[in-house]
Amino acid sequence: AQSVTQLGSHVSVSEGALVLLRCNYSSSVPPYLFWYVQYPNQGLQLLLKYTSAATLVKGINGFEAEFKKSETSFHLTKPSAHMSDAAEYFCAVSDRKGTGANNLFFGTGTRLTVIP
Amino acid sequence: DSGVTQTPKHLITATGQRVTLRCSPRSGDLSVYWYQQSLDQGLQFLIQYYNGEERAKGNILERFSAQQFPDLHSELNLSSLELGDSALYFCASSARDLGPHEQYFGPGTRLTVT
Repeated sequence: AQSVTQLGSHVSVSEGALVLLRCNYSSSVPPYLFWYVQYPNQGLQLLLKYTSAATLVKGINGFEAEFKKSETSFHLTKPSAHMSDAAEYFCAVSDRKGTGANNLFFGTGTRLTVIP
Repeated sequence: DSGVTQTPKHLITATGQRVTLRCSPRSGDLSVYWYQQSLDQGLQFLIQYYNGEERAKGNILERFSAQQFPDLHSELNLSSLELGDSALYFCASSARDLGPHEQYFGPGTRLTVT
């Protein structure tokens, strides 16, 4: 089964500092990969997705992620953190095979705190 | 606003009871997914429907069932509720059932079982 591992359940950064949230996937075939953000008391919103078109994926709100097959990683980055980035971030994977459904398997989430 | 609506927002009920959660997908989306978010289990996929038919099943308990109606809205039925069923239940929708189509999430229904 597909799975993702998010390293670090809590990450704190200063406002203006680099944001780096880690995600590693386990799959013998490069899957579809996603990053979602969840603000307090809200549903999940897609930040970006990897579908093999390009290894560096740009998303909303200045976030981007790089797919590295050799490291089975899909880390999320943002050059300069804003206070509004404080939220929970989830990495997710879905089946790439044509016969499979595309339900998502989520990591355990990383809570990002931005310090003024 | 994702365009996915869920009712009710909050639900408080007692153990042993049965509840129904409702989801309306985005206009035009044929696929509906149900997820459970709890402190113990994190975000887990429960079940998926596509155009009225069950497409995939995840970690859904036998006490839980779902269906998708001809107008494409979906209901998740939870019966014989236990304290451990307390969680946030999300519905998501996407245009198709396969491929990397974005899933749009509703705001969730918070279920509290007392």
